[in-house]
Order: sequence, then C-alpha cells, then structure tokens
Amino acid sequence: AQSVTQLDSHVSVSEGTPVLLRCNYSSSYSPSLFWYVQHPNKGLQLLLKYTSAATLVKGINGFEAEFKKSETSFHLTKPSAHMSDAAEYFCVVSPYGGATNKLIFGTGTLLAVQP
Amino acid sequence: EPEVTQTPSHQVTQMGQEVILRCVPISNHLYFYWYRQILGQKVEFLVSFYNNEISEKSEIFDDQFSVERPDGSNFTLKIRSTKLEDSAMYFCASRGGDRGPQETQYFGPGTRLLVL
Repeated sequence: AQSVTQLDSHVSVSEGTPVLLRCNYSSSYSPSLFWYVQHPNKGLQLLLKYTSAATLVKGINGFEAEFKKSETSFHLTKPSAHMSDAAEYFCVVSPYGGATNKLIFGTGTLLAVQP
Repeated sequence: EPEVTQTPSHQVTQMGQEVILRCVPISNHLYFYWYRQILGQKVEFLVSFYNNEISEKSEIFDDQFSVERPDGSNFTLKIRSTKLEDSAMYFCASRGGDRGPQETQYFGPGTRLLVL
C-alpha cells in the first residue's frame, strides 16, 4: 500500500531563516507526489507536484521539493521563511494505477514562523 | 481563476438528522471527490465520482453516505442519519481530464460539520 510519512508534526522557524519540512513515501511504483498547504480557515491549496519530469520541483511562493528515490523522500524547502508561510503543510501521494487517483495524505506539519 | 465552492461553510445538526453538503466543482472538470478531516487527524478519502457513478469509495463511506450530481453543476454528499463521529471538515475536490495521478485536484474551502 502506498503512504506518506511526515516526520515532524510541528516546525518552528524564525522569519528569514530556511524552512525544511520532511516527507518520506512508501510506494512500489514511481509515485505522483504533492505538497498542499492549508492556511487557517482556508481550503487546501496545491504548492507543487512531482510528476517524474524533473526531480527538483519548484512551486508557488518560493517553495521547492526534491524527489530522492534512493531515500524515498520528498522534502519541502524554502530558503527564507515569511510570516505568511505559517500554515499546515501536507505531503500527499496519488497511488499508481487505478482509475480514481484518490489522494493519500500525510498527517501534516504545522509550520510556525516567529518574527 | 476558477475555484471549487462549498456550502454551507458550517453546519450544526442533531444526531440522527440528515445533512446535505453541497459543492460546485470547477466547470468542465470530470472527476469529483469528497474527503474529510476529523479534528486533529489526517485528511481521508471518502469517495470518487466519474461519469455519474461512484468509481471508488473508502471503508468509511458506508450505507449512510451517498453522493449525487443532480444537475450537472452541483455535487452533493448526503449523510442520512448523522452520528457524533461524523463531525469533521468535509472537503470537495475536482480534477479536469484523464491525465492520471499527475493531475491536480482542486479543493474547496470545506464544510465544517458538527453533530450534537
């Protein structure tokens, strides 16, 4: 079965410092991987997605993620945190095969940004 | 930019009552989904819908749940007899065509359901 594990439930950084949110995946096949963000009282917004075209994926708001097959990881990074980045971040996998392409979510990482 | 909308944003109901959660997916999208997030837990897949029928459902999606696309624009989730454990945020999502798992699912803002 395919799944994702987010290694940190909470991450706190200072404004202007780098952000690293960790995600490991489990998949028998080459997966499709996503990062979604949820701001307070808002819906889920796609940050970026990995679709096997390139291992380094750039997303919105300066975020990027690198797919590392050898480490089964898809960590999310940003060079410099902004106060507006404070939100919950979900690593998501879409299983290979099947007609529905349901999404399987990780447990989420709550990012706090301190001034 | 087109977006998925959901109504109501909040719903409070008594246990045993029926509720209908409504979603308007992005126009010309073909695949529709419901997910839910119980407070403090992960987002879980409930059901997917394509070509006017359910294409996959999770173990959570029992006989108390049903989905419908009544008029070509709305996509509804009905819970026939709500239980306390149905209290959650319910998200609707849609995606466009048939490009498989790489295709982005667009989510609505959610309906927060509270069953008393």
